Amino acid sequence: KQEVTQIPAALSVPEGENLVLNCSFTDSAIYNLQWFRQDPGKGLTSLLLIQSSQREQTSGRLNASLDKSSGRSTLYIAASQPGDSATYLCAVRGTGANNLFFGTGTRLTVIP
Amino acid sequence: ETGVTQSPTHLIKTRGQQVTLRCSSQSGHNTVSWYQQALGQGPQFIFQYYREEENGRGNFPPRFSGLQFPNYSSELNVNALELDDSALYLCASSNWDRDTQYFGPGTRLTVL
Repeated sequence: KQEVTQIPAALSVPEGENLVLNCSFTDSAIYNLQWFRQDPGKGLTSLLLIQSSQREQTSGRLNASLDKSSGRSTLYIAASQPGDSATYLCAVRGTGANNLFFGTGTRLTVIP
Repeated sequence: ETGVTQSPTHLIKTRGQQVTLRCSSQSGHNTVSWYQQALGQGPQFIFQYYREEENGRGNFPPRFSGLQFPNYSSELNVNALELDDSALYLCASSNWDRDTQYFGPGTRLTVL
């Protein structure tokens, strides 16, 4: 069964700092990997989706990388802002699967 | 383009009761997935509906059931509620041939 782990569980950084969030998964037979943002008590907002054949995706200040063979993904946030404060969730979809397996998330706080 | 909507926003029930949650998929999407997110955890897959048929199920007991309607909206029904059913219930819609799942804001269920 696919297991997804996110480290650290919580992170606090000063505004303007660059940061990296980590995600690891146990089964490398994935179809894609998706990063989401979740504000307290709210639904999920998709940030980036990386297909299994891709190595990275970029959107604005966000860059996600994927190393399928080692079962790892990172989300890089450049020049962090207080508005980036949220929980970031990583999810993988296995080959032949129609659902996402989620990690428990990293709670990010950006201090003004 | 209308996003994914869910109703109600919040719900309080007592143990043993039954509950129905509703989800309207994003325009043009034919697939709806339901997830349960306990406090401090990542979402867990309940089941998925594609063109009104169940198309995959996670590790949830039969008292969790669902429906999808011809307009692709969906219901999640939970019978004989237990205290551990207290969670945020998320639905996500997608097109079968597209990968990104778009999530609704969720329904917060509290079982007393």
